[in-house]
Amino acid sequence: KQEVTQIPAALSVPEGENLVLNCSFTDSAIYNLQWFRQDPGKGLTSLLLIQSSQREQTSGRLNASLDKSSGRSTLYIAASQPGDSATYLCAVKANSKLTFGKGITLSVRP
Amino acid sequence: DTAVSQTPKYLVTQMGNDKSIKCEQNLGHDTMYWYKQDSKKFLKIMFSYNNKELIINETVPNRFSPKSPDKAHLNLHINSLELGDSAVYFCASSQDGTELEQYFGPGTRLTVT
Repeated sequence: KQEVTQIPAALSVPEGENLVLNCSFTDSAIYNLQWFRQDPGKGLTSLLLIQSSQREQTSGRLNASLDKSSGRSTLYIAASQPGDSATYLCAVKANSKLTFGKGITLSVRP
Repeated sequence: DTAVSQTPKYLVTQMGNDKSIKCEQNLGHDTMYWYKQDSKKFLKIMFSYNNKELIINETVPNRFSPKSPDKAHLNLHINSLELGDSAVYFCASSQDGTELEQYFGPGTRLTVT
């Protein structure tokens, strides 16, 4: 059974800092890995999707990497801003379904 | 413009009632999903439909019955609501195929009193 872990559960950083959010999964037989952002009381917004054959994806200040063999992914956020404050979830897709981690709640202090 | 929409956004009801949540996607996707996010914010899949056919049914009580009248709609009907059903329910969709990303609706916050 696939399990996705995100540690720590919460993170607080000062504005401008570069930061890395970690995600690990137990079964490396995945089709893809997706990073989402969830603002309080809102739905999920897809940030980046990495196919199993890819190593990384970039979008603006975000860079996500995937090491399938070791069951790890990282989301790198450059020059963090208060507007980046949200919960970040990673999810792996296998057997037609997404399995989510519990998310990391990020707070960027002005 | 809304890609995946859900109604209602909020639903407050009493134990024992029957309620439905509607979901529609205008992306032309073939696959739709229902997820439940509990009070601890843990998101878990409940059902998946592909072209109106059920392809995933996790260990969900049979009080929950998804209904797909066409491939753009996947409604969730819940019978005999219980306190533990209180959660946020998200609908999502994706194009057929396992390697494509899922798009989520805004969620329906269900509160059972």
